[in-house]
Amino acid sequence: GEEVAQTPKHLVRGEGQKAKLYCAPIKGHSYVFWYQQVLKNEFKFLISFQNENVFDETGMPKERFSAKCLPNSPCSLEIQATKLEDSAVYFCASSPGTLLNGYTFGSGTRLTVV
Amino acid sequence: DQQVKQNSPSLSVQEGRISILNCDYTNSMFDYFLWYKKYPAEGPTFLISISSIKDKNEDGRFTVFLNKSAKHLSLHIVPSQPGDSAVYFCAASDRNFNKFYFGSGTKLNVKP
Repeated sequence: GEEVAQTPKHLVRGEGQKAKLYCAPIKGHSYVFWYQQVLKNEFKFLISFQNENVFDETGMPKERFSAKCLPNSPCSLEIQATKLEDSAVYFCASSPGTLLNGYTFGSGTRLTVV
Repeated sequence: DQQVKQNSPSLSVQEGRISILNCDYTNSMFDYFLWYKKYPAEGPTFLISISSIKDKNEDGRFTVFLNKSAKHLSLHIVPSQPGDSAVYFCAASDRNFNKFYFGSGTKLNVKP
């Protein structure tokens, strides 16, 4: 498709529960990026993929967070044992391979941990 | 440590006047800069970019200025329109183009 599709739009989890977010990049885009936006502040980079391979994971918390981009499947970001501070909007973006026009972002998944 | 900073969380401008949004960065390796526009409940959309080999890039009502020695860039919108009301993010990347670093955004309100 011509848009980055993120599901679900909203997700509520109790503290300690697992959260899984999905992202379908634009067809033909080989790079996928995940960002976390807490309290409408800056976008914190989490991880990027080049096709199904991790490209840069320097922003990923060492514990509880994992991500995958498998062939013929939406990419996913999973948070084990969610904490209150994980509450944020998680944006996925994709890019065709050059960043000259930046990324194309999805509309985000709002995760609320209660 | 935030490498891209937008120190004005909000800006209010009258319709027809100029809007100037500012952005500072700390990393001298940053080579490429973008501005994004974001409406509520939507993802950011690309607005305009500038490479470090230029000091100005213009696209219609939008102009981005880059001052490398000051590590400062600005976005000018002339004339401002109510539909420009949104949150504007600046972003920077080094020449490796691995990723973009974002500022915290400036909320622009253009009053009719």
